[in-house]
Amino acid sequence: DAGVTQSPTHLIKTRGQQVTLRCSPKSGHDTVSWYQQALGQGPQFIFQYYEEEERQRGNFPDRFSGHQFPNYSSELNVNALLLGDSALYLCASSLGGGGRPDTQYFGPGTRLTVL
Amino acid sequence: AQSVTQLDSQVPVFEEAPVELRCNYSSSVSVYLFWYVQYPNQGLQLLLKYLSGSTLVKGINGFEAEFNKSQTSFHLRKPSVHISDTAEYFCAVSYYNNNDMRFGAGTRLTVKP
Repeated sequence: DAGVTQSPTHLIKTRGQQVTLRCSPKSGHDTVSWYQQALGQGPQFIFQYYEEEERQRGNFPDRFSGHQFPNYSSELNVNALLLGDSALYLCASSLGGGGRPDTQYFGPGTRLTVL
Repeated sequence: AQSVTQLDSQVPVFEEAPVELRCNYSSSVSVYLFWYVQYPNQGLQLLLKYLSGSTLVKGINGFEAEFNKSQTSFHLRKPSVHISDTAEYFCAVSYYNNNDMRFGAGTRLTVKP
């Protein structure tokens, strides 16, 4: 049973560029959440996708956008990159629906470096 | 506002000693609590979770945690640590009808021989 997978593993970009990160959820999961983990800090919630729509969003600017596909995989897009966007980007999958949050399972992350 | 506080940023301990990693949360509503472990250059692995029921929760690798509603705490414990337990540990909280999981800043556990 494959767990959560993310690609690429590492990425180097320059300021002002755009980047797309990809995530495939754990088998049977339909919900994908994205987190940003800056060096030495805990993960911060960016947004969550369920049924191909953004269900909830954290305190991140509109430069951060996403998409969920019919097979439940997801993309995170960041436009106009800033140096401060350098971080580990984590994807987590879970079972959706409403009400009680289900346990989130994390992928290995994508390390983004902005120069 | 929802928040999670991990009271110790670093915890050094000798091998085979007991350890407690402290976590407090702020909430006036029902919460769901989690502990995750992160090894260097890896993602987060779920150690254990409290959703409801018994306040003492047992997880993987010999870890356990106790949910204390009156003290709004969810401390992680292990009676005897191994070198391989050296990692970053994160406490996290979720709330009913809220998909925004909040994490603490993490506790670096270093097990020394």
